[in-house]
Amino acid sequence: QLVLTQSPSASASLGASVKLTCTLSSGHSSYAIAWHQQQPEKGPRYLMKLNSDGSHSKGDGIPDRFSGSSSGAERYLTISSLQSEDEADYYCQTWGTDIQGVFGGGTKLTVL
Amino acid sequence: VQLLESGGGLVQPGGSLRLSCVASGITLSNYAMSWVRQAPGKGLEWVSGISGSGGSTYYADSVRGRFTISRDNSKNTLFLQMNSLRAEDTAVYYCAKIGDGGNVDYWGQGTLVTVSS
Repeated sequence: QLVLTQSPSASASLGASVKLTCTLSSGHSSYAIAWHQQQPEKGPRYLMKLNSDGSHSKGDGIPDRFSGSSSGAERYLTISSLQSEDEADYYCQTWGTDIQGVFGGGTKLTVL
Repeated sequence: VQLLESGGGLVQPGGSLRLSCVASGITLSNYAMSWVRQAPGKGLEWVSGISGSGGSTYYADSVRGRFTISRDNSKNTLFLQMNSLRAEDTAVYYCAKIGDGGNVDYWGQGTLVTVSS
């Protein structure tokens, strides 16, 4: 079964960097994922698609502070030079087929 | 690209609603589309997906047999017919475009569905 696992919460200081993790279930380590950001009281926003080799393509207007990387079944989202507006929920998403998507449980990022 | 949902509201348990999503800036027939929902205080849940032609559909177990996804490519519009609604269907429903790679790459602003007596 295709499942994505995320830590429920993370925190980092203003101006610092943070690395969020999304783990693919056993047997699915070659899958690409997408990262989405949801700021408080707003709808989700697409950040990037991240492949198993670490290559990634960002959505419209996503700053260079956001980057992705991969290692085995783990997919990472790194946010550098943290700003207050980065405080949000971050969801990873993958798919079995293009119409059968799956979301991770989300990580709530607090900027201290 | 803009996706604009409508049709949400308050409905009694057992009732029906039809959500619509009008797309602009794209030719809808070129893309698979999906509906994603978010219950109050909860995470994102993939509800349903449909291929560009409409020939293939997918439903989450939680809605299969009660919800129907469809599209009118001539009107650049996606639909979600929701029947036999339950309290646990209460959520913000988002329309989402699926990119060439299979990931969601654009989101609508959402429409709130509240199922309550």
